[in-house]
Amino acid sequence: EVQLVESGGGLVQPGGSLRLSCAASGFTLSSYWMSWVRQAPGKGLEWVANINQDVSRSHYVGSVTGRFTISRDNAKNSVYLQMNSLRAEDTAIYFCGRITCAYAQCFYDYWGQGTLVTVSS
Amino acid sequence: DIQMTQSPSSLSASVGDSVTITCRASQGISIHLAWFQQKPGKAPKSLIYAASSLHSGVPSKFSGSGSGTDFILTITSLQPEDFATYYCQQYTAYPYTFGQGTKLEIK
Repeated sequence: EVQLVESGGGLVQPGGSLRLSCAASGFTLSSYWMSWVRQAPGKGLEWVANINQDVSRSHYVGSVTGRFTISRDNAKNSVYLQMNSLRAEDTAIYFCGRITCAYAQCFYDYWGQGTLVTVSS
Repeated sequence: DIQMTQSPSSLSASVGDSVTITCRASQGISIHLAWFQQKPGKAPKSLIYAASSLHSGVPSKFSGSGSGTDFILTITSLQPEDFATYYCQQYTAYPYTFGQGTKLEIK
């Protein structure tokens, strides 16, 4: 059974840092792109970042570029999101998502339950 | 960035009804379109990819159609567990973008 379990969320002051983790099980992590998507309280879904299988490619939404870094350790079956210079508008539930590539397309199939990040003084 | 616009933003329906939700992209995205269901306090659930292909385990009461800029999600024979918020998402270009969501409520 595919499972994605996020951790590392919490309360942090503006300007602070936080590192989120996503523990993957039930599949071979090294075969998949992985992603982070967030959802501010009462709002819709917002894509944050993607990383490819061998860490040679990563992509970010403009609002986090230069502040957030997505990474992975396939040997530890984990994906990470390092978040620096946090702002109030980064407050959200952060979901880890698996991306399957098939039929010349890459799309989400599995999601974690999310971890809440609150940026406030 | 490609903007995704869903309509309606909210929808009331009764158990047993069928509903359609539309999603329009600000530019052509071929069939690189996914649909998700999300219930309060829960993670998104992947329903459809490639505009019309159902993920494994998703019941056939869900169907998707469209290509280019206009897409439709249809849900037939609504059951209580289907009342949720639905999102479309394009994955043809970065940044990936989602529609604002359609909240499906029980009438």
